[in-house]
Amino acid sequence: AQSVSQHNHHVILSEAASLELGCNYSYGGTVNLFWYVQYPGQHLQLLLKYFSGDPLVKGIKGFEAEFIKSKFSFNLRKPSVQWSDTAEYFCAVTMNTGFQKLVFGTGTRLLVSP
Amino acid sequence: GAVVSQHPSRVICKSGTSVKIECRSLDFQATTMFWYRQFPKKSLMLMATSNEGSKATYEQGVEKDKFLINHASLTLSTLTVTSAHPEDSSFYICSAGTGLGELFFGEGSRLTVL
Repeated sequence: AQSVSQHNHHVILSEAASLELGCNYSYGGTVNLFWYVQYPGQHLQLLLKYFSGDPLVKGIKGFEAEFIKSKFSFNLRKPSVQWSDTAEYFCAVTMNTGFQKLVFGTGTRLLVSP
Repeated sequence: GAVVSQHPSRVICKSGTSVKIECRSLDFQATTMFWYRQFPKKSLMLMATSNEGSKATYEQGVEKDKFLINHASLTLSTLTVTSAHPEDSSFYICSAGTGLGELFFGEGSRLTVL
Protein backbone atom coordinates (compact mmCIF):
# COMPACT_ATOMS: atom_id res chain seq x y z
CA ALA A 1 0.00 0.00 0.00
CA GLN A 2 1.04 3.54 -0.61
CA SER A 3 2.34 5.62 2.24
CA VAL A 4 3.59 9.16 2.56
CA SER A 5 5.99 10.33 5.22
CA GLN A 6 6.74 13.88 6.23
CA HIS A 7 9.83 14.10 8.34
CA ASN A 8 9.22 17.37 10.09
CA HIS A 9 6.18 17.53 12.34
CA HIS A 10 6.83 21.03 13.62
CA VAL A 11 8.97 23.73 12.07
CA ILE A 12 9.57 27.17 13.53
CA LEU A 13 11.20 29.83 11.38
CA SER A 14 11.73 33.54 11.45
CA GLU A 15 10.42 35.68 8.64
CA ALA A 16 12.68 35.72 5.57
CA ALA A 17 14.20 32.36 6.43
CA SER A 18 14.23 29.68 3.78
CA LEU A 19 11.94 26.70 4.06
CA GLU A 20 12.24 23.12 2.98
CA LEU A 21 9.74 20.47 4.04
CA GLY A 22 10.52 16.88 3.31
CA CYS A 23 8.12 14.40 1.75
CA ASN A 24 8.80 10.82 0.75
CA TYR A 25 6.38 8.29 -0.62
CA SER A 26 6.47 4.57 -1.04
CA TYR A 27 5.04 3.35 -4.31
CA GLY A 28 6.90 1.88 -7.22
CA GLY A 29 4.60 3.00 -9.98
CA THR A 30 3.76 6.33 -11.53
CA VAL A 31 2.28 8.79 -9.09
CA ASN A 32 0.72 12.20 -8.95
CA LEU A 33 2.06 14.35 -6.14
CA PHE A 34 0.50 17.25 -4.28
CA TRP A 35 1.17 19.70 -1.54
CA TYR A 36 -1.81 21.11 0.31
CA VAL A 37 -1.88 23.86 2.90
CA GLN A 38 -4.36 24.38 5.71
CA TYR A 39 -4.33 27.84 7.22
CA PRO A 40 -5.73 28.18 10.74
CA GLY A 41 -9.49 27.80 10.62
CA GLN A 42 -9.61 27.26 6.89
CA HIS A 43 -10.01 24.32 4.58
CA LEU A 44 -7.31 22.54 2.65
CA GLN A 45 -6.03 24.39 -0.38
CA LEU A 46 -3.83 23.15 -3.17
CA LEU A 47 -0.36 24.69 -3.23
CA LEU A 48 1.02 22.81 -6.18
CA LYS A 49 0.88 19.50 -7.99
CA TYR A 50 3.06 17.31 -10.14
CA PHE A 51 1.65 15.01 -12.78
CA SER A 52 4.45 14.77 -15.33
CA GLY A 53 7.04 16.86 -17.15
CA ASP A 54 9.41 19.28 -15.48
CA PRO A 55 10.17 17.85 -12.04
CA LEU A 56 10.51 21.35 -10.59
CA VAL A 57 7.00 22.58 -10.01
CA LYS A 58 6.07 26.10 -9.10
CA GLY A 59 2.93 26.76 -7.12
CA ILE A 60 1.10 29.64 -5.56
CA LYS A 61 2.53 32.11 -3.05
CA GLY A 62 6.12 31.53 -4.07
CA PHE A 63 6.22 27.83 -3.20
CA GLU A 64 7.92 25.24 -5.33
CA ALA A 65 8.60 21.54 -5.08
CA GLU A 66 11.00 19.19 -6.76
CA PHE A 67 10.13 15.65 -7.71
CA ILE A 68 13.16 13.37 -7.46
CA LYS A 69 12.03 10.00 -8.71
CA SER A 70 15.15 8.14 -7.61
CA LYS A 71 14.63 9.30 -4.06
CA PHE A 72 10.83 8.97 -4.06
CA SER A 73 10.76 12.51 -2.78
CA PHE A 74 8.73 15.65 -3.38
CA ASN A 75 10.13 18.30 -1.06
CA LEU A 76 8.46 21.66 -0.70
CA ARG A 77 10.56 24.83 -0.70
CA LYS A 78 10.18 28.55 -0.34
CA PRO A 79 13.19 30.88 -0.39
CA SER A 80 11.79 33.42 2.05
CA VAL A 81 8.85 32.71 4.32
CA GLN A 82 6.37 35.23 5.64
CA TRP A 83 4.34 35.32 8.82
CA SER A 84 1.27 34.57 6.70
CA ASP A 85 2.77 31.21 5.75
CA THR A 86 2.02 29.93 9.23
CA ALA A 87 -0.12 26.88 8.53
CA GLU A 88 -0.11 23.12 8.32
CA TYR A 89 1.30 21.58 5.17
CA PHE A 90 0.33 18.19 3.82
CA CYS A 91 2.05 16.16 1.17
CA ALA A 92 -0.22 13.77 -0.72
CA VAL A 93 0.07 11.18 -3.44
CA THR A 94 -2.25 9.31 -5.71
CA MET A 95 -1.53 6.66 -8.25
CA ASN A 96 -1.49 7.88 -11.81
CA THR A 97 -4.77 6.32 -12.82
CA GLY A 98 -6.95 9.32 -12.32
CA PHE A 99 -7.55 11.67 -9.48
CA GLN A 100 -8.65 8.96 -7.12
CA LYS A 101 -8.14 8.83 -3.42
CA LEU A 102 -5.31 10.81 -2.02
CA VAL A 103 -2.98 9.36 0.57
CA PHE A 104 -1.78 12.08 2.90
CA GLY A 105 1.33 12.48 4.95
CA THR A 106 1.01 13.31 8.62
CA GLY A 107 1.46 17.00 8.00
CA THR A 108 3.99 19.59 9.08
CA ARG A 109 2.95 22.47 11.24
CA LEU A 110 4.89 25.59 10.29
CA LEU A 111 5.09 28.57 12.58
CA VAL A 112 6.69 31.72 11.22
CA SER A 113 7.57 34.30 13.78
CA PRO A 114 7.58 37.97 12.75
CA GLY B 1 -11.06 27.26 -8.41
CA ALA B 2 -13.99 24.98 -7.87
CA VAL B 3 -15.88 25.25 -4.59
CA VAL B 4 -16.87 22.46 -2.27
CA SER B 5 -19.09 23.32 0.66
CA GLN B 6 -19.81 21.33 3.80
CA HIS B 7 -22.65 21.76 6.23
CA PRO B 8 -22.75 22.01 9.16
CA SER B 9 -19.31 23.29 10.01
CA ARG B 10 -19.81 22.40 13.66
CA VAL B 11 -22.23 20.05 15.31
CA ILE B 12 -22.63 18.87 18.87
CA CYS B 13 -24.84 15.91 19.60
CA LYS B 14 -25.68 13.53 22.37
CA SER B 15 -24.34 10.02 22.44
CA GLY B 16 -26.62 7.61 20.61
CA THR B 17 -28.03 10.11 18.15
CA SER B 18 -27.29 10.30 14.44
CA VAL B 19 -25.74 13.23 12.63
CA LYS B 20 -25.80 14.02 8.92
CA ILE B 21 -23.09 16.03 7.20
CA GLU B 22 -23.58 17.36 3.69
CA CYS B 23 -20.95 17.92 1.04
CA ARG B 24 -21.85 19.93 -2.03
CA SER B 25 -19.92 20.81 -5.14
CA LEU B 26 -21.20 24.30 -5.86
CA ASP B 27 -20.05 25.02 -9.39
CA PHE B 28 -19.23 21.66 -10.88
CA GLN B 29 -20.54 18.13 -11.01
CA ALA B 30 -18.70 15.42 -9.17
CA THR B 31 -19.36 11.78 -9.89
CA THR B 32 -16.95 10.90 -7.11
CA MET B 33 -16.50 12.48 -3.74
CA PHE B 34 -14.26 11.42 -0.91
CA TRP B 35 -14.77 11.51 2.84
CA TYR B 36 -11.84 11.94 5.19
CA ARG B 37 -11.48 12.00 8.91
CA GLN B 38 -8.81 14.13 10.53
CA PHE B 39 -7.65 13.27 14.01
CA PRO B 40 -5.98 15.88 16.20
CA LYS B 41 -2.34 16.33 15.25
CA LYS B 42 -2.66 13.59 12.67
CA SER B 43 -3.15 13.34 9.00
CA LEU B 44 -6.31 12.91 7.02
CA MET B 45 -7.53 9.37 6.83
CA LEU B 46 -9.62 8.39 3.86
CA MET B 47 -12.83 6.82 5.05
CA ALA B 48 -14.69 6.13 1.85
CA THR B 49 -15.19 6.98 -1.77
CA SER B 50 -18.68 8.16 -2.58
CA ASN B 51 -19.94 7.26 -6.03
CA GLU B 52 -22.96 8.97 -7.51
CA GLY B 53 -25.77 6.52 -8.03
CA SER B 54 -24.04 3.53 -6.48
CA LYS B 55 -22.76 2.26 -3.18
CA ALA B 56 -19.84 3.90 -1.51
CA THR B 57 -16.50 2.13 -1.31
CA TYR B 58 -15.21 2.00 2.23
CA GLU B 59 -11.60 1.77 3.31
CA GLN B 60 -10.46 -1.10 5.44
CA GLY B 61 -11.41 -0.69 9.05
CA VAL B 62 -14.22 1.80 8.44
CA GLU B 63 -17.62 0.58 9.58
CA LYS B 64 -20.05 1.04 6.74
CA ASP B 65 -23.05 0.65 9.02
CA LYS B 66 -21.83 3.42 11.28
CA PHE B 67 -20.80 5.84 8.58
CA LEU B 68 -23.56 5.83 6.00
CA ILE B 69 -22.75 7.57 2.75
CA ASN B 70 -25.30 8.59 0.16
CA HIS B 71 -24.38 10.25 -3.12
CA ALA B 72 -27.79 10.94 -4.57
CA SER B 73 -26.85 13.57 -7.11
CA LEU B 74 -23.84 14.88 -8.98
CA THR B 75 -23.48 17.74 -6.54
CA LEU B 76 -24.34 16.24 -3.16
CA SER B 77 -22.92 13.54 -0.96
CA THR B 78 -23.95 13.00 2.64
CA LEU B 79 -22.21 11.27 5.52
CA THR B 80 -24.41 10.11 8.37
CA VAL B 81 -22.74 9.10 11.60
CA THR B 82 -25.22 6.71 13.16
CA SER B 83 -25.55 6.11 16.89
CA ALA B 84 -22.68 8.46 17.51
CA HIS B 85 -20.36 7.95 20.45
CA PRO B 86 -17.68 10.21 21.93
CA GLU B 87 -14.97 8.34 20.03
CA ASP B 88 -16.63 9.46 16.80
CA SER B 89 -15.82 13.05 17.68
CA SER B 90 -13.55 14.29 14.96
CA PHE B 91 -13.11 16.60 12.01
CA TYR B 92 -14.72 15.23 8.88
CA ILE B 93 -13.66 16.57 5.50
CA CYS B 94 -15.03 15.87 2.05
CA SER B 95 -13.43 16.43 -1.31
CA ALA B 96 -14.56 16.30 -4.89
CA GLY B 97 -12.83 16.45 -8.22
CA THR B 98 -13.60 18.09 -11.50
CA GLY B 99 -12.16 15.17 -13.39
CA LEU B 100 -9.13 17.19 -14.43
CA GLY B 101 -6.82 15.68 -11.85
CA GLU B 102 -7.36 18.06 -8.97
CA LEU B 103 -9.39 17.63 -5.82
CA PHE B 104 -11.11 20.43 -3.97
CA PHE B 105 -11.84 20.21 -0.29
CA GLY B 106 -14.72 21.34 1.82
CA GLU B 107 -14.24 23.43 4.92
CA GLY B 108 -14.67 20.44 7.17
CA SER B 109 -17.23 19.60 9.81
CA ARG B 110 -16.28 19.30 13.44
CA LEU B 111 -18.38 16.73 15.25
CA THR B 112 -18.47 16.64 19.03
CA VAL B 113 -20.37 13.82 20.67
CA LEU B 114 -21.18 14.35 24.32
